[in-house]
Amino acid sequence: DIQMTQSPSSVSASVGDRVTITCRASQGISNYLAWYQQKPGKAPKFLIYAASSLQSGVPSRFSGSASGTDFTLTISSLQPEDFATYYCLQANSFPRTFGQGTKLEIK
Amino acid sequence: EVQLVESGGGLVQPGGSLRLSCAASGFTFSAYAIHWVRQGPGKGLEYVSAISGNGGSTYYANSVKGRFTISRDNSKNTLYLQMGSLRPEDTAVYYCVKDWDSSGNYNGYFDYWGQGTLVTVSS
Repeated sequence: DIQMTQSPSSVSASVGDRVTITCRASQGISNYLAWYQQKPGKAPKFLIYAASSLQSGVPSRFSGSASGTDFTLTISSLQPEDFATYYCLQANSFPRTFGQGTKLEIK
Repeated sequence: EVQLVESGGGLVQPGGSLRLSCAASGFTFSAYAIHWVRQGPGKGLEYVSAISGNGGSTYYANSVKGRFTISRDNSKNTLYLQMGSLRPEDTAVYYCVKDWDSSGNYNGYFDYWGQGTLVTVSS
């Protein structure tokens, strides 16, 4: 199975800050990487696919990038509604595997 | 509007069985593969199973292989997960998740998620 190592596990930040979350794949997954946002008690929301393509309706302050087996989600200017847990997902092979999650908290 | 509504969760004893359902609307159900993903209490997301749009192909994670069976009834726009030989570690919220690939294969990303149904395995 492909392991997705996500970091940090938690981060505290303020409204307006720039935040970066990283996922590292244990082997090559091309760019078959997605990012999801989950708020407490809710289902995950699809943000980014193919490592850097923004899903329709997702604000442009969210962006993704890739470098080899390292993938990054960046939120350029945090808004109050962005405080949530973020997960990466590799869609290169089965079983699909997720990162452990990054909890983004208000400082 | 795409909607996925899970049902059938509840409390079951270890070794017991349960059948989850997922009622879909807002899209051509038979054209899309559907997945099950679970999330243990306070834990991350774990992939469980997938079924192709026509129901002819299925996939199971090793943790549930031989105990769970995924199926679908395209005439009723409904997905099922028959769960057997349940263990405490199967305790989780189970999400029904739509694949974004309209070819019916389960090789795409997950674009829409249901709200989940809680399964608790405990004596």
